[in-house]
Amino acid sequence: SQTIHQWPATLVQPVGSPLSLECTVEGTSNPNLYWYRQAAGRGLQLLFYSVGIGQISSEVPQNLSASRPQDRQFILSSKKLLLSDSGFYLCAWSLGTASNQPQHFGDGTRLSIL
Amino acid sequence: SQELEQSPQSLIVQEGKNLTINCTSSKTLYGLYWYKQKYGEGLIFLMMLQKGGEEKSHEKITAKLDEKKQQSSLHITASQPSHAGIYLCGADIMKTSYDKVIFGPGTSLSVIP
Repeated sequence: SQTIHQWPATLVQPVGSPLSLECTVEGTSNPNLYWYRQAAGRGLQLLFYSVGIGQISSEVPQNLSASRPQDRQFILSSKKLLLSDSGFYLCAWSLGTASNQPQHFGDGTRLSIL
Repeated sequence: SQELEQSPQSLIVQEGKNLTINCTSSKTLYGLYWYKQKYGEGLIFLMMLQKGGEEKSHEKITAKLDEKKQQSSLHITASQPSHAGIYLCGADIMKTSYDKVIFGPGTSLSVIP
């Protein structure tokens, strides 16, 4: 069966510091991968998605970037964190298209910027 | 305004009571998903609906997609404390060539023992 691992679970970082969040999927090949941010009281905002190694699409201009160095590895990064980067970050994977295959989520990373 | 609306925003029910959560859009829902989220945790996939009029059930939870595919409901029968959490609907409303699911803002459910 497929599993998704996301770490760390919580992170406290000072403003201006770099960021690296990692997500890996096991038990499947060539998944579509996604990074979301969830703000309090709001729905999920899609940040990045990837349909293959090295293929990254950005949904929202921001202070973050994503990379997919391996088929089942997705990394969310920043060179200099802003206060507004605080939030709950979720990684997800899926097979197929949005209209016929559900996305499956990791446990999330709670990021606090001081 | 949100492309996917959910109502109510929050719900407090007595254990054993039935409840319904709604998800609506002004656009066609090509794939409709229901998720449950415990605070501070990831989303757990519950059900997927694709066809107008489709209905699916899992244990005490039933989800329906209306014939026009613009509204979905999630019904919980005889609620239990384990049903507490945030319920989110997500949908492909643009049927684009890439995988983009729009999510509603969520409905927070509390079940009082």
